[in-house]
Amino acid sequence: GAVVSQHPSWVICKSGTSVKIECRSLDFQATTMFWYRQFPKQSLMLMATSNEGSKATYEQGVEKDKFLINHASLTLSTLTVTSAHPEDSSFYICSAHMTGTNSPLHFGNGTRLTVT
Amino acid sequence: DAKTTQPTSMDCAEGRAANLPCNHSTISGNEYVYWYRQIHSQGPQYIIHGLKNNETNEMASLIITEDRKSSTLILPHATLRDTAVYYCIVSPDDKLIFGTGTRLQVFP
Repeated sequence: GAVVSQHPSWVICKSGTSVKIECRSLDFQATTMFWYRQFPKQSLMLMATSNEGSKATYEQGVEKDKFLINHASLTLSTLTVTSAHPEDSSFYICSAHMTGTNSPLHFGNGTRLTVT
Repeated sequence: DAKTTQPTSMDCAEGRAANLPCNHSTISGNEYVYWYRQIHSQGPQYIIHGLKNNETNEMASLIITEDRKSSTLILPHATLRDTAVYYCIVSPDDKLIFGTGTRLQVFP
């Protein structure tokens, strides 16, 4: 079945530094990937839609200059949290759809970011 | 905003059927009903989806009312490993907006 892999699964960084999270579709191509954020005891919140070869589309209230998204290939999207602060500590989850099919969205296992 | 309403929590005895309801009274004709679940500290797992007809797979059954304003996810024989938050989502495409879901607790 379709597998979406995220790396790293967890990361701790110091305030002010930047962190890159990778999302890969392992056995399929994905023109579109989605990035979500989840705070403790809350639901997933859609941050942005990552489009291969073009700019990402951000949801209202999500700062595009803070959360940089790059989707340079059909199997890889990256989310970079720039100048991270403690309030950016969260669970970041990506998802991907198999291009050219009507198969459902598959999710990665998430990346837990802790900013100290 | 999420377009679905689900109970906050439910309990189910192990081995019994778990029936999780979802209301989506404003669903549009081109919107599918998707069900995902999330076990603690993991990414959501796809369960099943449908448009108008009832659907069944190895994990669950999805019953959609004729007017499509509500649906029920059925786990036929719940196990302890089915304890999770279950999300019902309606969407015409891949862009899924999650609501608060139902926390299902399966007990021995």
